Amino acid sequence: QLQLQESGPGLLKPSETLSLTCSVSGGSIKSTTYYWAWIRQPPGKGLEWIGMIHYTGNTHYNPSLKSRVTISVDTSENQFSLRLSSVAAADTAVYYCARPTYYDSSAYGHWGQGTLVTVSS
Amino acid sequence: DTQMTQSPASLSASVGDRVTITCRASQIISSNLNWYQWRPGRAPNLLIYAASSLHIGVPSRFNGSGSGTDFTLTISGLQPEDFATYYCQQSYRTPYTFGQGTRLEI
Repeated sequence: QLQLQESGPGLLKPSETLSLTCSVSGGSIKSTTYYWAWIRQPPGKGLEWIGMIHYTGNTHYNPSLKSRVTISVDTSENQFSLRLSSVAAADTAVYYCARPTYYDSSAYGHWGQGTLVTVSS
Repeated sequence: DTQMTQSPASLSASVGDRVTITCRASQIISSNLNWYQWRPGRAPNLLIYAASSLHIGVPSRFNGSGSGTDFTLTISGLQPEDFATYYCQQSYRTPYTFGQGTRLEI
């Protein structure tokens, strides 16, 4: 059974760089079918799609974050990562990694448990 | 970006009721519309994909419909575990975007 697990620091100061990793188990990240995604949810607010990556390295980013976001993949470790530079309080959120279902390549049927990242001085 | 507007923002209902949530896209998105259920402290749970297809393991009391710009999620015979927040998401074009959520309360 596919499992996704986010990891990374939970507390950052303004202007620092957020770095999170999503470890994938129970399946290979080297699938031609899927793009692997990052999605976040600020406390008390809705969901925001950050971007996604194919194992070949092809990426799509949300333009609202594009200048600060980098998503990368490490096929040897079966994981993918998120970097968000110059964080501010508005970047405080639960960050999820996700993968679509096998029968709809853009509906997220598999999610990590989420990790809370707080930006505070 | 494609803006997704859900209504209502919140909804009160009772166990056994039938409720409908609406999602409207700012542009045509064909049937590329997904619905999720979210409970605090948990990851979102996919309910409906491609506007009307039930995700595996999701009870049949959940029903999705619509195409183009207007979509609905109907829950028939509300169960206690259904009281949660529901989000629509368009997956027609990037950036994928979510509605602001509909909170379903007892």
